[in-house]
Amino acid sequence: DVKVTQSSRYLVKRTGEKVFLECVQDMDHENMFWYRQDPGLGLRLIYFSYDVKMKEKGDIPEGYSVSREKKERFSLILESASTNQTSMYLCASSLSDTYQPQHFGDGTRLSIL
Amino acid sequence: QKEVEQDPGPLSVPEGAIVSLNCTYSNSAFQYFMWYRQYSRKGPELLMYTYSSGNKEDGRFTAQVDKSSKYISLFIRDSQPSDSATYLCAIPNYGGSQGNLIFGKGTKLSVKP
Repeated sequence: DVKVTQSSRYLVKRTGEKVFLECVQDMDHENMFWYRQDPGLGLRLIYFSYDVKMKEKGDIPEGYSVSREKKERFSLILESASTNQTSMYLCASSLSDTYQPQHFGDGTRLSIL
Repeated sequence: QKEVEQDPGPLSVPEGAIVSLNCTYSNSAFQYFMWYRQYSRKGPELLMYTYSSGNKEDGRFTAQVDKSSKYISLFIRDSQPSDSATYLCAIPNYGGSQGNLIFGKGTKLSVKP
């Protein structure tokens, strides 16, 4: 079974802090994704990556950046956390073919105070 | 018109009921369709994956695709309290970036004992 592991289940940070969310997958998947999930808004794609050191903006990249130095690891960075970034963050991975399903981690519930 | 639309519910049914969950989509080129299940405080997990029109059955779950109506359904027979979760439909984003999925916003289902 594919395992996608997110480093923290719950995280509390203060406004203005730089926040790092880490994600690791163990199935040698090429693609990795970061989403946020909010009530009534569903899953929204922040950034994704097709390969090491590659990144593409999703639908809501503002205020975020990403890093992919190794194939198995994809990090989401909140450059200067704000209260409107309080959310559930989900990481996913998939094989490179167009029709492949994505496999998700259990999420990080981030609160910005 | 949004590419994938899903009634958010919530939907509450008694144990043993047949449940019907539905999504509509706008792009007639879509051919692959997925259903994810998300338990509270967990990440989405792939439940069903279908291609083109017709039905696919897996135990108590049946996924149905009607391409003429651009309508997909997930049926749950003999529903159980353990089926209580949010169900999301997902479709590969043809014409968009490789590997990206378009998600419905999810329908929250509660099965009462």
